[in-house]
Amino acid sequence: KNEVEQSPQNLTAQEGEFITINCSYSVGISALHWLQQHPGGGIVSLFMLSSGKKKHGRLIATINIQEKHSSLHITASHPRDSAVYICAVHNTDKLIFGTGTRLQVFP
Amino acid sequence: DAGVTQSPTHLIKTRGQQVTLRCSPKSGHDTVSWYQQALGQGPQFIFQYYEEEERQRGNFPDRFSGHQFPNYSSELNVNALWLGDSALYLCASSLGVLANNEQFFGPGTRLTVL
Repeated sequence: KNEVEQSPQNLTAQEGEFITINCSYSVGISALHWLQQHPGGGIVSLFMLSSGKKKHGRLIATINIQEKHSSLHITASHPRDSAVYICAVHNTDKLIFGTGTRLQVFP
Repeated sequence: DAGVTQSPTHLIKTRGQQVTLRCSPKSGHDTVSWYQQALGQGPQFIFQYYEEEERQRGNFPDRFSGHQFPNYSSELNVNALWLGDSALYLCASSLGVLANNEQFFGPGTRLTVL
C-alpha cells in the first residue's frame, strides 16, 4: 500500500463544475503539499498546509490531521485547470508523493 | 528572480552509458533535492544536498550519485544506464533543510534510455 493515496486517479468534468480531489496518507507528516503538473512536466506548488484550510482564487485546500486526509477543491472549473494534481507529504525532511489525479475539464 | 533551472531539457542515451543532469536552484536557496518520476507515477525521492553534502537518500542504487557546488547548484549522475532509468528527473530547491520549508521545482529533464 502506498504511503500517500489519491482519488480519483482520473477525473473529467464540464466547465463550471465543482471538483474535489482527495488525498489520504499513512505516515506522520509535518506538512502537506498540493502540486499541479502540466504536460511537459513542470511542477507548480499550489498549497502547503499543516492544519485547517487555505484558499487561493478558485482553489481551496483542507487538511484533517486526525483523519490523515486532505482535499483539494476547484470551484467553477475551467479547461485551463486541466493538469495532473499531486499530493505530497513532508516526512522526515523529504517529500513522499501520491501518484496524482489527472483532471480534464471540457468546455 | 530566476526560478529553478535544469539542463538539458531532453536527453537520449543507450543502455550502459552514463549521464549527468544539472540543476541551478532558485536565487537564495541552498538546498537541492532530486526526484525521479516514471511515466504515470508520482515523483520518487532520490537524494538531497545541503552544504555540498548528501544529507538524505531515497531507495536508489549507488549508480545514482550527485554533487553540490559552492554556488549551491547540483548535478545528478547516473552510471550504467538501464531502460528502467527512463523518466523525468526533477530538481527542487529550498532554503534550509527544515521539513516545512517550501520546495520550488524545476521544469525537469526527460531522459530516454534506448
